[in-house]
Amino acid sequence: DIQMTQSPSTLSASVGDRITITCRASQTINNWLAWYQQKPGMAPKLLIYKASTLENGVPSRFSGSGSGTEFTLTITNLQPDDFATYYCQQFYAFSYTFGQGTKLEI
Amino acid sequence: EVELVESGGGLVKPGGSLRLSCAASGFTFSYFSINWLRQAPGKGLEWVASISSSSAYMYYADSVKGRFTISRDNGLNSVSLQMQSLRAEDTAVYYCARGMAGINYVFDYWGQGTPVSVSS
Repeated sequence: DIQMTQSPSTLSASVGDRITITCRASQTINNWLAWYQQKPGMAPKLLIYKASTLENGVPSRFSGSGSGTEFTLTITNLQPDDFATYYCQQFYAFSYTFGQGTKLEI
Repeated sequence: EVELVESGGGLVKPGGSLRLSCAASGFTFSYFSINWLRQAPGKGLEWVASISSSSAYMYYADSVKGRFTISRDNGLNSVSLQMQSLRAEDTAVYYCARGMAGINYVFDYWGQGTPVSVSS
């Protein structure tokens, strides 16, 4: 299975900040990567797919980049609603593995 | 509005069985693959099983293969996950999620989840 590694595991930031989360794949996955946001007690929400395509309705302060094995999720002008846990996921190959998550906290 | 609602979770003893259901609405159900994913307490996300739009293809994670069976009824807009020989490590919140059109393993809508606890 392809292993997905996110860094950092925890990130402290403030409203208005710009942050970046990194996701690395154990082998190339082209651009077959998605990002999800999850708040406590809730289901994950799709933010970005194919590494950089924003899902409908997701604010433009979210952006994704990368290809091959290294990817980033960037959030500019952090809003209070953005404090959550973020997961990357590869959909290149079985078994569609997720990173361990990055908790974004104030 | 797309909605997925899971049910059927609960407490079960090791070795026992449980059947989860996912009721879908707000979209043309027969056009989309449906997946089950799970999240153990305090842990990350794990894809568990997938069924294609016409039930032609079913796929399972190695961790559940031979123990779990996914099925769907397009007439009732529902998907089920039959879980047998349950183990403590199957304890998790189980989510059903829709596969995005054309990209089956991007999960664009999720249910609220149903908790499964395997304990004696």
